[in-house]
Order: sequence, then structure tokens, then C-alpha cells
Amino acid sequence: DAKTTQPNSMESNEEEPVHLPCNHSTISGTDYIHWYRQLPSQGPEYVIHGLTSNVNNRMASLAIAEDRKSSTLILHRATLRDAAVYYCILQNYGGATNKLIFGTGTLLAVQP
Amino acid sequence: DAGVIQSPRHEVTEMGQEVTLRCKPISGHDYLFWYRQTMMRGLELLIYFNNNVPIDDSGMPEDRFSAKMPNASFSTLKIQPSEPRDSAVYFCASSLGRVTEAFFGQGTRLTVV
Repeated sequence: DAKTTQPNSMESNEEEPVHLPCNHSTISGTDYIHWYRQLPSQGPEYVIHGLTSNVNNRMASLAIAEDRKSSTLILHRATLRDAAVYYCILQNYGGATNKLIFGTGTLLAVQP
Repeated sequence: DAGVIQSPRHEVTEMGQEVTLRCKPISGHDYLFWYRQTMMRGLELLIYFNNNVPIDDSGMPEDRFSAKMPNASFSTLKIQPSEPRDSAVYFCASSLGRVTEAFFGQGTRLTVV
């Protein structure tokens, strides 16, 4: 499975944008980039995913580098409820497997 | 839909006892996953099913662990005998199709004393 690298932790101020980076230099052409987050004492929650083009949804935006070796999850206005561990995950659609393998993620702290 | 439902939410048991964790996936979903989370090892995929058939159980730690999915709406993860190092939060998740959004349950916090 291709690996991802994320900073262990980041801090943000409430109502400011947050850019969470992820490096995945060994990504293959058939790997989707997924982001999940885990709020305290809860199960992981899907945030967004993409393949090549930038993606937007109600929760966040995903910016994917042209060479796909890195991506950035963008929270446009952080709130206290966005404090969580954010996981960047590669999931391959080329074969038969459907594994979703979590790394260590980035712990985001949001200051009021 | 109520989402993925796990039971019990908390379980405390003595070493050597059998423990059964239960999961009801979202109706219509064809993939079901079991994960374990600890501070030391993070979130680990134990096993996943497709259409009730186990596809990959390479994450199951040892023979003490077993998982079944007798039908599309129910799965169990059993530990027999349980050991203190099995203490963790166990999550169940389901998804519809491959490489799609996975929905996680609230988890079962297992403590083996």
C-alpha cells in the first residue's frame, strides 16, 4: 500500500482557514486520495476524496498537486468543532482490494 | 438510516472470558470492516467482508480472534479467550461499493482486566 506523510500536529485560530498537508510521493495512477477525521471519542468520519482534480464539498476542499505527489485539505473557516485528528489515506481502485489503511494523522488544535 | 450500530458501547470482562462484539451495517451496504484502535498502534484494519464473505483477514492478530457475517445486516467479532492486551476501542464500518465513503460506528470500548 502506498504511504502518506502528514505533520503530527497543527494549530489554527477559530474562523481562520486551515491547510492540512499530505505527501504521497509513491502514489500510483489508480490511487484515490481520501481524507477522514476523528473527533474525540468518536469513530472516523469521511471528509472528502479525489483522484486528480480539486474537489469541494460542504465540509472542505481538497487541492491535489499536478503530479499528485501531494495534496492539501482546506478547511475554509475553522471552528472549535473542527478540532480532530485528520487522516490522509490512499485507496487503490485498480485491483480487487477495498482496504482503507489509516496512518497516524495530523492532530488539529483550534484556538478560540 | 441510523448509521452503523455497534453493541455494546462498553464492555469490561475478565481475562480468559469470551467477548462478542456486534455490528449492524447501514442497510444496502455491501462492505463491512472491523478496526481496532489503541494509543500505541493507532487504527488497525482487522478484517473486511464483501457481500458477507471475508475478503482479507490479514489484520486479525491471532487465532483468538474470529469474525463472522451470517447475513447482510449483522456481523460479530469474537475474542476467545480474551487477554488484557486486547483492551482497545473496536470500530465497525460499512460502505457501498469500492473506494467510496465508509461510515463508522461509535465503537465498542473493550477493557479486559
